[in-house]
Amino acid sequence: QKEVEQDPGPLSVPEGAIVSLNCTYSNSAFQYFMWYRQYSRKGPELLMYTYSSGNKEDGRFTAQVDKSSKYISLFIRDSQPSDSATYLCAMGFSGGYNKLIFGAGTRLAVHP
Amino acid sequence: DADVTQTPRNRITKTGKRIMLECSQTKGHDRMYWYRQDPGLGLRLIYYSFDVKDINKGEISDGYSVSRQAQAKFSLSLESAIPNQTALYFCATSDLDGSYYTFGSGTRLTVV
Repeated sequence: QKEVEQDPGPLSVPEGAIVSLNCTYSNSAFQYFMWYRQYSRKGPELLMYTYSSGNKEDGRFTAQVDKSSKYISLFIRDSQPSDSATYLCAMGFSGGYNKLIFGAGTRLAVHP
Repeated sequence: DADVTQTPRNRITKTGKRIMLECSQTKGHDRMYWYRQDPGLGLRLIYYSFDVKDINKGEISDGYSVSRQAQAKFSLSLESAIPNQTALYFCATSDLDGSYYTFGSGTRLTVV
């Protein structure tokens, strides 16, 4: 079993839809959780970052963490064609000799 | 200039050839990483370095080697390239906490 599982999609939605992207994980010691967005032929870039269980909102994006269920989600409201990208979840531990563990990424296409 | 610069952007090489991928960063970070990305497999860690004198193998280091020439430079070598090393390669840096990763734009390598 992988430490981080993410549905690879692809996911295709119409413009304006609410998108839900999800990851599950097996290591309850993970302390922080992130979402990266990767456009075609570009490197991943950090989109959302959170330490705690609950919701964190940034514009049209909401990151949700449920540590009891080992489940994280990214919601995109009013999706736009410019949101078309691959979204990777990532998680890790604070400090020390730690490295992020990435999900496989979900490819999202938002069509006009 | 980009914070993390990878060269070349694209490379086609023949089986058995030695090839070097280069990465330089202006973030001032001590930590640097090399990943490869394959469809459906996400980002897999090849090597990482937490400072100039500290280099460690990742989950898929066989067939690869690295050199940390300076704080800002971290190169990846394929000693004898084989076709299944065809992939997108990313260099990344992070702060001491190991949480915020900054990625380069990637090198698309094709081994024929």
